[in-house]
Amino acid sequence: AQSVTQLDSQVPVFEEAPVELRCNYSSSVSVYLFWYVQYPNQGLQLLLKYLSGSTLVKGINGFEAEFNKSQTSFHLRKPSVHISDTAEYFCAVSDRAGTASKLTFGTGTRLQVTL
Amino acid sequence: DAGITQSPRHKVTETGTPVTLRCHQTENHRYMYWYRQDPGHGLRLIHYSYGVKDTDKGEVSDGYSVSRSKTEDFLLTLESATSSQTSVYFCAISGTTGYNEQFFGPGTRLTVL
Repeated sequence: AQSVTQLDSQVPVFEEAPVELRCNYSSSVSVYLFWYVQYPNQGLQLLLKYLSGSTLVKGINGFEAEFNKSQTSFHLRKPSVHISDTAEYFCAVSDRAGTASKLTFGTGTRLQVTL
Repeated sequence: DAGITQSPRHKVTETGTPVTLRCHQTENHRYMYWYRQDPGHGLRLIHYSYGVKDTDKGEVSDGYSVSRSKTEDFLLTLESATSSQTSVYFCAISGTTGYNEQFFGPGTRLTVL
């Protein structure tokens, strides 16, 4: 079984400040990792994914994440946030490929960007 | 954007009534999923399908059934709705990329009174 823990349910931050949203996972096998973003009253949109290779992954809207196998973490970062980044962010893990492997989601982190 | 639609987008119903939610895709993807989203729980998998007429249970399947008679349609049925099934329901699809990247529909907000 796999699980995902998002350590912060809410993160308030001022515009143009850096932000880090934390994600830790547990799994007994190799994993694929994802970050999704959900804007108010919308579905989820893929921000970025880690499949293999470089542990630093770049995604859309200036976000990036770093896979740390020893710490089983996949933290999301952005050096300078904008008001439009206000949304809920979900970390997810998948532990099998090629079949209907399922995503396990964290409980989400609400990023609130203010002026 | 992936071609996924959900209908209805909003529904209010009464306890004990049957409800069917529809997910329709135009991507010809093999895999389809139904999730529910509740505050403090993130997204939880209800059922999924790996092909026409091939479905399986997720972690919160009690009280729900699904059917997939065509590649493009995946139906979620609440046989007798309860207030605990008030939630936002999302459909997702994925292809055969090998790493299960999923694309999500816009969601259906269901209220059971």
